[in-house]
Amino acid sequence: NAGVTQTPKFRVLKTGQSMTLLCAQDMNHEYMYWYRQDPGMGLRLIHYSVGEGTTAKGEVPDGYNVSRLKKQNFLLGLESAAPSQTSVYFCASSTLLAATSTDTQYFGPGTRLTVL
Amino acid sequence: KQEVTQIPAALSVPEGENLVLNCSFTDSAIYNLQWFRQDPGKGLTSLLLIQSSQREQTSGRLNASLDKSSGRSTLYIAASQPGDSATYLCAVDSNSGYALNFGKGTSLLVTP
Repeated sequence: NAGVTQTPKFRVLKTGQSMTLLCAQDMNHEYMYWYRQDPGMGLRLIHYSVGEGTTAKGEVPDGYNVSRLKKQNFLLGLESAAPSQTSVYFCASSTLLAATSTDTQYFGPGTRLTVL
Repeated sequence: KQEVTQIPAALSVPEGENLVLNCSFTDSAIYNLQWFRQDPGKGLTSLLLIQSSQREQTSGRLNASLDKSSGRSTLYIAASQPGDSATYLCAVDSNSGYALNFGKGTSLLVTP
């Protein structure tokens, strides 16, 4: 049982390049999330998904796109990377605790992205 | 918008001390509150989840309390050990959506 895995672990991009971060979970969770963590800012939600084929914007969605074609995978795309997107990106997943409350969120190990 | 604040931002204690980490939130309409631990360069590990109808949760040397009406939670760590050194994050699941709102964390150092 691997939990939540993220690929790649590290990446360096030049301004304007594109890339996709992959998140995979093997816990059959309905909900998946992408966060970014920056010094002094805490974790901020980029996008999230409440099920296969659905996505929604979080607090800081600009410059990112996501897709959830399979229940176990959640992809985060940067179409034209900018230095402001230098950050550590975390994926998480959870199931439902109640009708409108999620259970414990399980986090991946993170992807450290630098945009030059 | 839900705001989550953690005090102190950093804390250093000698091994064996009991300590309390504080978390406050501005909107008391929450579904649950979660405490996480983050080691340097690693992801987050869930420690405790308190549902809005609960007052506290315990796991080993950790005890988390929730006072929803006053918008406060505390994480109590008993008999601290150097292995407890990490950043502790508080997060609330509020009625603004399914996602969590995180505090900026308390960086804890337990010295031998």
